[in-house]
This record gives sequence, C-alpha cells and structure tokens, in this order.
Amino acid sequence: DTGVSQDPRHKITKRGQNVTFRCDPISEHNRLYWYRQTLGQGPEFLTYFQNEAQLEKSRLLSDRFSAERPKGSFSTLEIQRTEQGDSAMYLCASSLVAGGFANYGYTFGSGTRLTVV
Amino acid sequence: GNSVTQMEGPVTLSEEAFLTINCTYTATGYPSLFWYVQYPGEGLQLLLKATKADDKGSNKGFEATYRKETTSFHLEKGSVQVSDSAVYFCALTTDANTGNQFYFGTGTSLTVIP
Repeated sequence: DTGVSQDPRHKITKRGQNVTFRCDPISEHNRLYWYRQTLGQGPEFLTYFQNEAQLEKSRLLSDRFSAERPKGSFSTLEIQRTEQGDSAMYLCASSLVAGGFANYGYTFGSGTRLTVV
Repeated sequence: GNSVTQMEGPVTLSEEAFLTINCTYTATGYPSLFWYVQYPGEGLQLLLKATKADDKGSNKGFEATYRKETTSFHLEKGSVQVSDSAVYFCALTTDANTGNQFYFGTGTSLTVIP
C-alpha cells in the first residue's frame, strides 16, 4: 500500500472547461475526504464519504462541483464550467473509522493542483 | 463553531535556534489537536497529535501540549535545522460520528537559514 494517491498532480485548464480529479484511498479505509487549499491558506473541507455514501457537503461545494465514490473505493471530483476562482490545490484524505469514535490512520494525498487560465 | 488561529508568518530562524509557533482554538465538543507539515509541492504530513487535555504530542524533536484551560496547542522545537523549513498547520477535529473533518489554521511558513 502506497498511501493515498491522487491523479493528476497538476492540471491546467481554460475557463469554462470541465475537469475531473481522481483519488485512490488506502485500501482498507472506509472514509474519504476532499479538501481545497488556496494559496496561503489552510485546507478547507469540501465533502466526505463513508464507503459509497456521501454524508456531508460543505457550503463551499457549489452546484458546479460533484463528487462520487461509486464502489466505496476510489473517488472522483468533477468541476464543471471552471472559473479562475477554482484555482487551488485539491487534497484527498482517507481514514478508517470503527467503533463510532475511533479514527485510524487519517492520511492525506499529495493533492492535485488546478490552474484555471 | 470550530476554528483554529495560528501565528502569522513567515518566520525566519537561524539553524539551532528555538522555535515556537502559537496556535489557539475554539471548538464545540472535545477536540483532538494536530500539527501538520507541508513541504513545497507536497501534501500534508502528520507531525504530531494530542487527543486529550495535558497530553503532549512529540515527533522529530517537535513538541506540543494540549492546554484546555488556555485552548492552546503551541508547537516548539529546541533546535531547528535547515530541513525543518516548511509550512506548519495547526488543526483540530472532533467526534468521528459528526464527520471527523479537520479544521485548519492558515499555516505558518518557517525558513531556517544555515
């Protein structure tokens, strides 16, 4: 197991185009999280999945954003009609939650850096 | 709500100097506290954590103590090295049942010069 993998590492796109990012979590982890980090700021929570169910979405996740985790394994984050304000690092994290309160091995990926020109 | 406030940067220190990066928090419920480090072009790496009051997290010479009375979790290192140059984020998370998302501070950039 090589940790949380994100693809691509970098993406440059023109304003108005759609982009999709992929995250492969640690295989035994049941939770998967997406964060957005803009320059000079800390990461901000976007959404998370427990297995294949999307359980929470931040108000930062506008209608142009959609995330899926169809089989409870990898996840995709799509941004439609990109805007310059979408330029950021998109981070994925995964963890194993068991017993209601125990959270193990919360691990971040290296991120996908999106630049909208 | 939940939030983290950390010391503004950037911080520049000479090698072997003492480091303190201040972090205070507000939280609903009983949070766990963390320090993450981010090297240029990379993701976040867990540096240390503490899950209850008076716990001390430590790793690679860095330490931080969970102070409930002052709602603080200041990061310290007695003697910094050039390789410690990075951005440091203080963070908290609460009950796993509520989603267990992390709330991060804005980060403090540290540069250590030889």
